[in-house]
Amino acid sequence: DQQVKQNSPSLSVQEGRISILNCDYTNSMFDYFLWYKKYPAEGPTFLISISSIKDKNEDGRFTVFLNKSAKHLSLHIVPSQPGDSAVYFCAASSGTYKYIFGTGTRLKVLA
Amino acid sequence: DAMVIQNPRYQVTQFGKPVTLSCSQTLNHNVMYWYQQKSSQAPKLLFHYYDKDFNNEADTPDNFQSRRPNTSFCFLDIRSPGLGDAAMYLCATSGGQLGNSPLHFGNGTRLTVT
Repeated sequence: DQQVKQNSPSLSVQEGRISILNCDYTNSMFDYFLWYKKYPAEGPTFLISISSIKDKNEDGRFTVFLNKSAKHLSLHIVPSQPGDSAVYFCAASSGTYKYIFGTGTRLKVLA
Repeated sequence: DAMVIQNPRYQVTQFGKPVTLSCSQTLNHNVMYWYQQKSSQAPKLLFHYYDKDFNNEADTPDNFQSRRPNTSFCFLDIRSPGLGDAAMYLCATSGGQLGNSPLHFGNGTRLTVT
């Protein structure tokens, strides 16, 4: 039972445009959501998070949106840069120390 | 810099030969995790420690064990590796409030089983 789903395995975007990565979840108890970026041969790096009491969190070029009724979150990157090319994972937790990850979306930003 | 360090980066072991992966952290975080990630799959939580309290996931095979001798170090022991255990093993730490702070990952150990 996959509680956190990233249904798009890959995404290509032109440099300077917006990248939108999506994530759906099934467990209504999740109350904290995170996005990670992973380059090849490196561990995931934390990007941005959001608590369920908010519907938006912004950090520079990165914005995460949370729609609790739809059990959906998205990561917007604008403007996209070639260095953003990586695999992006969303993750969720429900007030415990256990974090559940999605399968990732490979973003390719074309110069 | 404070960080999570995993050694070795690449490990090759033979089928059935015990192997130990190590993780150390300078963040002084009280929670440490081991995740297994296979190609194109989500990282899968194997177990975590809150200080010395060990928490095993229900579906983690008995073949996988862990030790945390002190705050800084955590080890993953695979007693009899099978071909299906070939994967990237990721260590992570967390130091904030319960389930409300990000995980900090090491660069992983890629395990090959021959």
